[in-house]
Amino acid sequence: NAGVMQNPRHLVRRRGQEARLRCSPMKGHSHVYWYRQLPEEGLKFMVYLQKENIIDESGMPKERFSAEFPKEGPSILRIQQVVRGDSAAYFCASSPQRTETMNTEAFFGQGTRLTVV
Amino acid sequence: QKEVEQDPGPLSVPEGAIVSLNCTYSNSAFQYFMWYRQYSRKGPELLMYTYSSGNKEDGRFTAQVDKSSKYISLFIRDSQPSDSATYLCAMNPPGAGSYQLTFGKGTKLSVIP
Repeated sequence: NAGVMQNPRHLVRRRGQEARLRCSPMKGHSHVYWYRQLPEEGLKFMVYLQKENIIDESGMPKERFSAEFPKEGPSILRIQQVVRGDSAAYFCASSPQRTETMNTEAFFGQGTRLTVV
Repeated sequence: QKEVEQDPGPLSVPEGAIVSLNCTYSNSAFQYFMWYRQYSRKGPELLMYTYSSGNKEDGRFTAQVDKSSKYISLFIRDSQPSDSATYLCAMNPPGAGSYQLTFGKGTKLSVIP
């Protein structure tokens, strides 16, 4: 059973370009969570999605960031008009259901490291 | 004051040493406490979790939670070079919003052979 798959692992974008980060959850998982890890900072929650639904996007910056999890295919985190401050590692996690805690049923992918030059 | 404080280190110990990693927190609503291990350029991997106060042991690892002091610890006995990684504490409240883990910055540990 493959784990959470994220691609690309590394992404370089020039300022003003768009970045698209993909996350394929573990088989049987229908809930996806995106976290961002800025340099020298802890992981910060961004958004929680189920298939075709955004459940909580309270951690997403108000502009330029969007996320989706279509009925078919991976979840996508999209950053428009990237700026240097968007350089970070972006992790997604998936779980089979929204349990009361993420403690034992959510697994993280290996992340996408975005560098904006 | 940040919700979760964790000394980033780096912490360097000789092989076989006992390692103590700690976090403090300010939100009394936190009920679940986790420790993740993150190898360089990899994703976080859940090591241990505890609910509320108390101790939990798993092999060489022991997690402790002291809710009265808002302080959690991870002890690693007989540390090995393979334990060299960044250790992240994380916590969340029960109920609605429990999927929002709050992480510390992580402590980078090096175990020297």
